[in-house]
Amino acid sequence: DAKTTQPNSMESNEEEPVHLPCNHSTISGTDYIHWYRQLPSQGPEYVIHGLTSNVNNRMASLAIAEDRKSSTLILHRATLRDAAVYYCIQRPLFGNEKLTFGTGTRLTIIP
Amino acid sequence: GAVVSQHPSRVICKSGTSVKIECRSLDFQATTMFWYRQFPKQSLMLMATSNEGSKATYEQGVEKDKFLINHASLTLSTLTVTSAHPEDSSFYICSASSQPNSYEQYFGPGTRLTVT
Repeated sequence: DAKTTQPNSMESNEEEPVHLPCNHSTISGTDYIHWYRQLPSQGPEYVIHGLTSNVNNRMASLAIAEDRKSSTLILHRATLRDAAVYYCIQRPLFGNEKLTFGTGTRLTIIP
Repeated sequence: GAVVSQHPSRVICKSGTSVKIECRSLDFQATTMFWYRQFPKQSLMLMATSNEGSKATYEQGVEKDKFLINHASLTLSTLTVTSAHPEDSSFYICSASSQPNSYEQYFGPGTRLTVT
């Protein structure tokens, strides 16, 4: 299975930007990078995905390294509701749809 | 966004009994649904992939006779934990996608199963 590595935990102050890193050194040319997050006692929710170019949506931004071996999820202004486990997932574009979750990064927001 | 529901949200059952968990896509048709299990402080582990009208595909190490999956319609998949034991106590989560190769999966809120 495709493997990503993330720090186990991170802390950030409320209302400050947060940069969540992810390494995916074995990524293939057709693998997308997906980010999901899981709030306590809930199912995961989609955050963002990308292939090569940086991506922005209402929740976050995704910055992808030029060699695609790493990426960074950026929360521009963290709130207490952003406290969650964030998962970075490699997933092929075609065929198999399943998501393989790693250990993720537990983000704590400090008021 | 699309909504996936699960029922029940919590269930407590006695060892040896069977429990059925439902996963429904409320506002879209789900050709594929996935079942995950999550133990405390751990990540989600995929158990099986369920395709409407066909047999589920189980991940390695998941007993298909113990975890029965039925995907009888495009909006409903069920997971039945048969002869449950305390070690089956876990958080069970389903997800669904609305079309092949969809980039987003929609997750249900999860079902907390406790086997006493």
